[in-house]
Order: sequence, then structure tokens, then C-alpha cells
Amino acid sequence: DTAVSQTPKYLVTQMGNDKSIKCEQNLGHDTMYWYKQDSKKFLKIMFSYNNKELIINETVPNRFSPKSPDKAHLNLHINSLELGDSAVYFCASSQNNEQYFGPGTRLTVT
Amino acid sequence: QKEVEQDPGPLSVPEGAIVSLNCTYSNSAFQYFMWYRQYSRKGPELLMYTYSSGNKEDGRFTAQVDKSSKYISLFIRDSQPSDSATYLCAMRKAAGNKLTFGGGTRVLVKP
Repeated sequence: DTAVSQTPKYLVTQMGNDKSIKCEQNLGHDTMYWYKQDSKKFLKIMFSYNNKELIINETVPNRFSPKSPDKAHLNLHINSLELGDSAVYFCASSQNNEQYFGPGTRLTVT
Repeated sequence: QKEVEQDPGPLSVPEGAIVSLNCTYSNSAFQYFMWYRQYSRKGPELLMYTYSSGNKEDGRFTAQVDKSSKYISLFIRDSQPSDSATYLCAMRKAAGNKLTFGGGTRVLVKP
């Protein structure tokens, strides 16, 4: 009964392709997030949704588009993948101060 | 200059030693301070969170916040090899949910 789950765990794809990552949380939280962690372990927020409404949208290329079909799910679609998109993408959810992270999706763009 | 600075390490200590980690930050608006532990190829997990200045203890872990110096610390007593991980500090302002993370410190506890 994983609290925050992501699929796929690994994703290897070529430049120019379009791919999606899915996230689900069963904690009943209202807020979900997408983070990007680069090779130097620096974790940076990309987007946040509260009850299906976008509340944080950092400076991210518009090739990245989040979608929240309901408050338990937050997906990330990436168009025209570039080499620099290679990273680990983490989904998280929170209620109040504590954010719970998923296991991550390791994206490699070749 | 990043808003939150953290020495990347690695910090290597013998088993049983005290591990001392810290972060400095530049934005005085930060009010909530967290420490996360991240094992290799896993997601970060919340260890401690504190509000404003002061100390908080939880088992072998003690978190300290000094807002006047813009400096936070995490101490791990009686360190174990299982404490080997990357430790990330994070902080946020009073309003909103946006966390700003440090770059993480890699800790190695040798048996």
C-alpha cells in the first residue's frame, strides 16, 4: 500500500519524443507536486496542484505540462524531449507541512 | 548564489560518532525548516520539521534553527551504517507550500 507511487520507474527515450509520467497518492492529501532532481542532487520544484488547481508553476519550459484529473493523481507530460531533461522526477503530496515523496522516475534522454 | 546552501560532502564518520549537518540560507522570510533523508535511488523521506527558531529532538535526531544567523543544523547521535544517505535541508515561507531545498550532504557512516 504505497503512499505515493509513480510510473514508470525508469524511462529511456530519444530526443524529440513525447513521454508521460504518472503519479498517484492514496493519502487523501489535497496538494501534489512535481520536482526535478538533477545529477548533483539538487531538488527543485516544478509544479504544484491543490485540489486539481495549479498553484505553483515555476520557470519551466512549456514543453512540460502537468495534468491533474483528480486530487489523487498528477501526471506530467513532456513534449519534444531534450538531453537536458535527463534527471530524476519526483512526485510528492502534502497536507499541511509534511511533504511525502514518491520513489522517483529516472528519465534518460539519448 | 543559491537561496539555501549546503556542503555536498561526503562526510565520513565512524560508527557511533555524532554527525553534524548544517545549512545556511539568505531569505529571512523562511519560517518552516525541514530535514529529509534520501537513500540512493529512493525518494526523500521527512525526518524532522521545525517552525521558527529553537531545538527539536526525536530519538537520535536533533534539529536546531537559528533564524538570527540564518543557520539550521541536524545532529545524529550514535550514528549507524544505516544512517549513510544524503541529507537534504528544506525550508518554506509562512504562506504557501513551496519548499526550497539545499543541494544535500552525503553522509557515510563506516562500521
